[in-house]
Amino acid sequence: EDQVTQSPEALRLQEGESSSLNCSYTVSGLRGLFWYRQDPGKGPEFLFTLYSAGEEKEKERLKATLTKKESFLHITAPKPEDSATYLCAVQEVGSNYKLTFGKGTLLTVNP
Amino acid sequence: GAVVSQHPSWVICKSGTSVKIECRSLDFQATTMFWYRQFPKQSLMLMATSNEGSKATYEQGVEKDKFLINHASLTLSTLTVTSAHPEDSSFYICSARESGRAYNEQFFGPGTRLTVL
Repeated sequence: EDQVTQSPEALRLQEGESSSLNCSYTVSGLRGLFWYRQDPGKGPEFLFTLYSAGEEKEKERLKATLTKKESFLHITAPKPEDSATYLCAVQEVGSNYKLTFGKGTLLTVNP
Repeated sequence: GAVVSQHPSWVICKSGTSVKIECRSLDFQATTMFWYRQFPKQSLMLMATSNEGSKATYEQGVEKDKFLINHASLTLSTLTVTSAHPEDSSFYICSARESGRAYNEQFFGPGTRLTVL
């Protein structure tokens, strides 16, 4: 069973059409949940870390939230430059800080 | 801040040869660095955790004699793919965690595309 499941696998939006990406996780003790953005052929770019249920963080058009079982990445009024793969990763207590990644959501924003 | 570089960005080699990839933290010290592998349209899979001054910890199924990791300083870790074969062709990405900080973010390098002919 995967520890981190992201949905949908792919999402197409029109510019300005807000939506949310989901990341559900099953770990015994969560140290942190991380969101990254990855462009084709590049390394992941750090977006957010969430540590406890109820926490929210925002950056430009992105807002990340966390519950005890899942996290959402809300994209408000997206632009074509927001097109990328968004990766969710969890860090488990006692794991020596290693990250376990989901398979990602490929977001395409059409102009 | 929190910039991680990798060198080379891409490499093509013949089957049976060895390839070394460098990962550097440019503006911070990193006690711990991580090496990942990413196949096309798949997510990142952790290969090993590299700790400065000690042996690397490899994930299950990763051959430590094939993927040699050295973390000789607080800003440099290297991954050597020994006796490379076509199935080793992949995108290799490193990340680094800043030493002594309370937060746990890992910052990633730009990746190295390895093609083994």
